[in-house]
Amino acid sequence: GENVEQHPSTLSVQEGDSAVIKCTYSDSASNYFPWYKQELGKGPQLIIDIRSNVGEKKDQRIAVTLNKTAKHFSLHITETQPEDSAVYFCAASIGGANNLFFGTGTRLTVIP
Amino acid sequence: SAVISQKPSRDICQRGTSLTIQCQVDSQVTMMFWYRQQPGQSLTLIATANQGSEATYESGFVIDKFPISRPNLTFSTLTVSNMSPEDSSIYLCSVVRGQNTEAFFGQGTRLTVV
Repeated sequence: GENVEQHPSTLSVQEGDSAVIKCTYSDSASNYFPWYKQELGKGPQLIIDIRSNVGEKKDQRIAVTLNKTAKHFSLHITETQPEDSAVYFCAASIGGANNLFFGTGTRLTVIP
Repeated sequence: SAVISQKPSRDICQRGTSLTIQCQVDSQVTMMFWYRQQPGQSLTLIATANQGSEATYESGFVIDKFPISRPNLTFSTLTVSNMSPEDSSIYLCSVVRGQNTEAFFGQGTRLTVV
């Protein structure tokens, strides 16, 4: 099955700086890559996703890049704010969100 | 998006007992799933809840331990049977509205088995 690795496990940045989280996947058939933000005591919230027919997608301060050849994708958060502090999970799947394989998570702390 | 309500939000249970978790969605969805998130860990798919038929379980999960029902397109239940402390986790309901659409998660049920 699919294996998704995520780095780093923890990340601290100063408010206003950028944060980058990276994931690799093993199954070249995977074609859907969402990112979720999970705050304490809550379920994961979808923040952005990308499909394999594009290389980059942006939504305000958040962007995701995908390198199919290298089988890795990254989350970029610019101008970080304290409310960005949470655990972020990447995931990969084939054909949509039917069976998501999740990375191990990154705890992001934005220091005011 | 989808409004997903999970009940209970948390529970503390005695070992050997069973707990049924409910997942209610505000509108019809194509697919419903149950995930487990062990303390400080990532999410692992338990099974796909199929309407009107037996759930499809992932490797390592069996129906006798995690019976699932899905009587209609907006509701599903997951039962954690004969619980042990190793079952202490967050259990999450997830839904997908249609083909090639996103997955949304409920707020989770935090289960502690003592």
